[in-house]
Amino acid sequence: ETGVTQTPRHLVMGMTNKKSLKCEQHLGHNAMYWYKQSAKKPLELMFVYNFKEQTENNSVPSRFSPECPNSSHLFLHLHTLQPEDSALYLCASSQDSSGSYNEQFFGPGTRLTVL
Amino acid sequence: GQNIDQPTEMTATEGAIVQINCTYQTSGFNGLFWYQQHAGEAPTFLSYNVLDGLEEKGRFSSFLSRSKGYSYLLLKELQMKDSASYLCAVTDSNYQLIWGAGTKLIIKP
Repeated sequence: ETGVTQTPRHLVMGMTNKKSLKCEQHLGHNAMYWYKQSAKKPLELMFVYNFKEQTENNSVPSRFSPECPNSSHLFLHLHTLQPEDSALYLCASSQDSSGSYNEQFFGPGTRLTVL
Repeated sequence: GQNIDQPTEMTATEGAIVQINCTYQTSGFNGLFWYQQHAGEAPTFLSYNVLDGLEEKGRFSSFLSRSKGYSYLLLKELQMKDSASYLCAVTDSNYQLIWGAGTKLIIKP
């Protein structure tokens, strides 16, 4: 148990659907992250929140919309996705995103398939 | 640009030793992490190096040479449960983690 949970674990959606991914951390951390993981590619950082403020948006298309209501919860709202958005979406947390020692704790991920 | 290179896949035998290499070119350096990720599971922390040298933790060791932009993860007395992907990541000058694509390690009996 890593202390970071994600729901749902699997999601299949059409290109016109709207869905949300949820992440919750029980570690008392102040930073939360969304990553996209595709086969044989490096983890792609999508969004970073530090103390509930968004500090990073790595040129992510607007069809992905993050929300961080508090330091323990992070959402990723999805709408009008494309088939190439199919991937594993990982949430992570760390004590603080601005330190040199930035050990991140990951959730199990949501396997997303866009039809 | 920033780049982390590691082999895509390696195969080793149960009970043997394997070394997984990682080379990096990043804007600055503030530490290097190794993570393990079993198929369908979350990446989990293995080790952290910020100074040159070898860090040993049980069957796993990690080495860093900052001057060469090089690290390796050494796994001894391999067990079947060590079959997983091993991810190398470097913290750059902006404290962002730059990730490699991972090395899939296959252990054969």
